[in-house]
Amino acid sequence: DIQLTQSPSFLSASVGDRVTITCRASQGISSYLVWYQQKPGKAPKLLIYAASTLQSGVPSRFSGSGSGTEFILTISSLQPEDFATYYCQQVNSYPRTFGPGTKVDIK
Amino acid sequence: VQLVESGGGLVKPGGSLRLSCAASGFTFSDHYMSWIRQAPGKGLEWLSYISASGRTIYYADSVKGRFTISRDNAKSLLYLQMNSLRADDTAVYYCARDRLTVPHWYSDLWGRGTLVTVSS
Repeated sequence: DIQLTQSPSFLSASVGDRVTITCRASQGISSYLVWYQQKPGKAPKLLIYAASTLQSGVPSRFSGSGSGTEFILTISSLQPEDFATYYCQQVNSYPRTFGPGTKVDIK
Repeated sequence: VQLVESGGGLVKPGGSLRLSCAASGFTFSDHYMSWIRQAPGKGLEWLSYISASGRTIYYADSVKGRFTISRDNAKSLLYLQMNSLRADDTAVYYCARDRLTVPHWYSDLWGRGTLVTVSS
C-alpha cells in the first residue's frame, strides 16, 4: 500500500499569511493526488485534484503543485474561513490512502 | 444534489449494521461511489469503492472480509454491510461520489456522515 505523510502536522498562522503544506508519498504516484479541507463536525470538501487542478468554486488563493512523491498545497493569503484540517489522498492505486492531516490554527 | 447517510447507531462488538446512503439531485447510476470513515478525533480512512455498475469493488485491508459494499441503482441507494464489528470500527462513516476526469479520480460530493459506535 502507498503511505502518505504530511508536514507539518499542525501549524499556527495569522490571517494574510502564506501557508504551505507538504504531502509525501512512499512511492511515485505521478499526479494522482487530491487535497481536501475539513472543518470540525463537517464532511471533507474537495479543493484540488490531479495535484494541481482547482475544483470549481474553490478560491484561487488555494493552489497545488508537485508530482511523483512530493506535493505541496499552498494558501497564498490565509483567510478566517481557511482555518481547518487539510488532508491529501492518493488515487494512484487501491487502497486509496489519506495522509494524516495538517491542522491549520489561528495564531 | 446531495448524499444522506443513515443506519448508524450503537452496536455490540461482534454485531452487524447496514449503512445506507441516499443520493438525490443527480443520476446515481452514472457514478462511482466510495465509503470513508473517521474515528473520533482521528483522520480519514478510505474503506471501499464500487463502480457505477457494481461490477468492480475494492476494499481496504482493515475491512476486507467483514464489510460489503453494494448499490441499488433503481433506488439511488448505496450500502455498506458491516459484520463482525469491533471497537476500532467506531467512527463517522461518510459516503462520497467519485468522479473520473480521465485519468484522474476524486471525491467531489460527500454526505454529512453517520456515527457508528461499537461498544458493549
